[in-house]
Amino acid sequence: SQKIEQNSEALNIQEGKTATLTCNYTNYSPAYLQWYRQDPGRGPVFLLLIRENEKEKRKERLKVTFDTTLKQSLFHITASQPADSATYLCAFHSYSGAGSYQLTFGKGTKLSVIP
Amino acid sequence: NAGVTQTPKFQVLKTGQSMTLQCAQDMNHEYMSWYRQDPGMGLRLIHYSVGAGITDQGEVPNGYNVSRSTTEDFPLRLLSAAPSQTSVYFCASSFGLMGSDYGYTFGSGTRLTVV
Repeated sequence: SQKIEQNSEALNIQEGKTATLTCNYTNYSPAYLQWYRQDPGRGPVFLLLIRENEKEKRKERLKVTFDTTLKQSLFHITASQPADSATYLCAFHSYSGAGSYQLTFGKGTKLSVIP
Repeated sequence: NAGVTQTPKFQVLKTGQSMTLQCAQDMNHEYMSWYRQDPGMGLRLIHYSVGAGITDQGEVPNGYNVSRSTTEDFPLRLLSAAPSQTSVYFCASSFGLMGSDYGYTFGSGTRLTVV
C-alpha cells in the first residue's frame, strides 16, 4: 500500500538557523505533494503545493523540493523564528481505486525553534 | 470570514448514542472531506464528497455516515458511538480533488469523547 513517512517526530533548532524536514513516500508516484502547518488545538493550514515537474518551490522563507527519483520531499524554513514552532505535515494524493483519490498525510514533525 | 465552520467544538457522548458533526463552507468548494486525528496515527480520511449528491468512503469509514445535499454542507453522522471513536475530527474543503495551488482548507475541529 502507499505509504508516506516523515522521518523525525520532533526537531529542535536554534533561532536563525535553517530547519529542514523530510518526507519520504513508497509504493506510489504522486503528481502533487503538499505541506501543512498545524498548531496545537487547531486545524492544519496549507503552506505549499509542489508538482512532480517542479523541482523546487518557494514562498517567503519557505522552500520545498520534490525529488521523484529519491521519492522524497524536503521542506526548509530559513532564518527560523520561535513563531515557526509547530507541527508540519506532508501529504500526497494516492489512488484508492475505482477512479478515486485521497489525500494521505504523514504523521508530522514537531518543530521547536529555540530562542 | 470565509472558511470552513465546524460545530460543535467539543462533545461528550455515551456509548451507543448517535450524533451529527456539522461542517459548512462558504467558498463554493466542490470537494469536502472528513478526517479523524489520533495521537500517533496522524490524519485519516473517513469519507469524502466530490460534489452535491456524491460521496465515497475513505480509509476508516466504519461507524460513520455522510450525505451531501448542498455544496455548502457536509455533515458527519455517528450511528452508535463507541469509545474507539474518541478523536478529534476535522472537516476540509478544496476547489478540486487535487487541491490546486490553494490546497485544502480545514476547519478548527471537533473534539469528541465517547465514554
